[in-house]
Amino acid sequence: AQKVTQAQTEISVVEKEDVTLDCVYETRDTTYYLFWYKQPPSGELVFLIRRNSFDEQNEISGRYSWNFQKSTSSFNFTITASQVVDSAVYFCALSERNNAGNMLTFGGGTRLMVKP
Amino acid sequence: EAQVTQNPRYLITVTGKKLTVTCSQNMNHEYMSWYRQDPGLGLRQIYYSMNVEVTDKGDVPEGYKVSRKEKRNFPLILESPSPNQTSLYFCASSPGRRETQYFGPGTRLLVL
Repeated sequence: AQKVTQAQTEISVVEKEDVTLDCVYETRDTTYYLFWYKQPPSGELVFLIRRNSFDEQNEISGRYSWNFQKSTSSFNFTITASQVVDSAVYFCALSERNNAGNMLTFGGGTRLMVKP
Repeated sequence: EAQVTQNPRYLITVTGKKLTVTCSQNMNHEYMSWYRQDPGLGLRQIYYSMNVEVTDKGDVPEGYKVSRKEKRNFPLILESPSPNQTSLYFCASSPGRRETQYFGPGTRLLVL
């Protein structure tokens, strides 16, 4: 069965610091998809990125970057020069190819607090 | 604007009083799902639908019903709500299987 672990339950940084959120996953499927979502204090879930298991290229989008390492089953998320607006709970999620229900298995989330 | 909408956003009800949470998407997506989010348990899938008139159970379907009569709508029905269904509910849609799921704003339900 698939599993996603976000070992850091809470991280606190000061504005402009860089911060990395860890995500480790388990799956028996050879084809799978990894996601990051952001849940700000207002409660909605905002999609950030989708990565398939065949694409190990790192991705950068503005201050956000993602490091996918298949060898260690990790998909870490780094925010460079953090801002107060980055304060949120961040979820890593996994979807397996053979999952008929398109179900996302979520990690427990990491609460990021960015202080001014 | 492409979006998933849910109504109501907040609901307080009493045990046993039937309720429906509506979900609608304007992106012509095939797949739709319902999730619930609970402290310590994370987000779990309740039901999903692959297309009109095709629905199936997710991880935690007990106490819930769904229907998909139109592509854009996927209501969640609680026939006889109980306090353990107090939760934050999210509807999601995606273009197809294995594609990105886009979530609605959430519905906070309190069952007394």
